Amino acid sequence: KNEVEQSPQNLTAQEGEFITINCSYSVGISALHWLQQHPGGGIVSLFMLSSGKKKHGRLIATINIQEKHSSLHITASHPRDSAVYICAVIVDSNYQLIWGAGTKLIIKP
Amino acid sequence: DAGVIQSPRHEVTEMGQEVTLRCKPISGHDYLFWYRQTMMRGLELLIYFNNNVPIDDSGMPEDRFSAKMPNASFSTLKIQPSEPRDSAVYFCASSFGTSGLTDTQYFGPGTRLTVL
Repeated sequence: KNEVEQSPQNLTAQEGEFITINCSYSVGISALHWLQQHPGGGIVSLFMLSSGKKKHGRLIATINIQEKHSSLHITASHPRDSAVYICAVIVDSNYQLIWGAGTKLIIKP
Repeated sequence: DAGVIQSPRHEVTEMGQEVTLRCKPISGHDYLFWYRQTMMRGLELLIYFNNNVPIDDSGMPEDRFSAKMPNASFSTLKIQPSEPRDSAVYFCASSFGTSGLTDTQYFGPGTRLTVL
């Protein structure tokens, strides 16, 4: 079993839909990153979370430390949100960085 | 701010050749990270520096890989000799803060390396 699991692996939705991408992990962490990788390959760091909730524009990230779960939400989705969204955790015992496999999101106009 | 700058953006070389990838972090950032991304293994952290000093190089795949950071504004990742299995996209990222990996990282555009 992978220590960081993302779901779904692939998601196709219509423009305007509310999107949720999930990340579950099995290790103790000190922080969790959400990153976005566009079709051209560039990576953008979206959020770094250690507790609670963060919001930036139409993006919202939440984390529940007790349940070892984080979600990334996109409101009013747009075709330009199409990308791979990657969750990564920092293990608190050894500072190891563990990556999820990514969720490929396609938003159709 | 120009963001993290990487060069070259694309590199095609033959097996056995030396490859040098370059990175200029965001000015003022004191952490620098080198990552490798492949279809098979996803995104892997190779090595990271704090204030130009290597902190953790446990992700460097083998002795053919070496990384240096001679000053706060420049780092290199060298592969010698290169092999086809080194073909990947190599990302550099930088961050500012006290926690290293737990601070928000800013990624460069990546270098796409193809070893024939």
